[in-house]
Amino acid sequence: QQQVKQSPQSLIVQKGGISIINCAYENTAFDYFPWYQQFPGKGPALLIAIRPDVSEKKEGRFTISFNKSAKQFSLHIMDSQPGDSATYFCAASMRGNYQLIWGAGTKLIIKP
Amino acid sequence: EAGVTQFPSHSVIEKGQTVTLRCDPISGHDNLYWYRRVMGKEIKFLLHFVKESKQDESGMPNNRFLAERTGGTYSTLKVQPAELEDSGVYFCASSQDLRGTEQYFGPGTRLTVT
Repeated sequence: QQQVKQSPQSLIVQKGGISIINCAYENTAFDYFPWYQQFPGKGPALLIAIRPDVSEKKEGRFTISFNKSAKQFSLHIMDSQPGDSATYFCAASMRGNYQLIWGAGTKLIIKP
Repeated sequence: EAGVTQFPSHSVIEKGQTVTLRCDPISGHDNLYWYRRVMGKEIKFLLHFVKESKQDESGMPNNRFLAERTGGTYSTLKVQPAELEDSGVYFCASSQDLRGTEQYFGPGTRLTVT
């Protein structure tokens, strides 16, 4: 049973546009929601993370929007650049349990 | 500061053989995790060490997999005997904070079992 559902599977965005990736979760015990960015041949790298006590977190061009009632969270990449082309993973974990539960990943391509 | 390193980067073995993957976490990180991504699937948790102790090994698929962390430093993950379904990318991660939330990943070992 997949506890974190991520969409879309792939996404093509023009340079300068907004990239939006969505995740939905089922377990209300999740209390930490990170996004990871992975380039080919590299491991996932923590990009930005949020806890359910806030609805939005922004770091530079990257923003997480969190909707606790809908059990959804999303990653917005503003002014998308070709260097943002990568695979993005959402994940979740529960208090007291360190394991990350992952979404299936989104391959993002930014067209110049 | 050196990141998480993994060795080898690639391994191709035949079904029934044994393979040992190694992970060196970031120095000073007590928490070490192993994850696996099978082709086309999501990344899945295998186990978690706190120093040399196994904190959670609920994700280990079966007893063909054995993980160790000698002296609370590097860790090894041995697959014996390997099966075709073991193919995938094995990631190691480490974290310092007690919550374990900021996990830093290595580049992974791509294992192919033929």
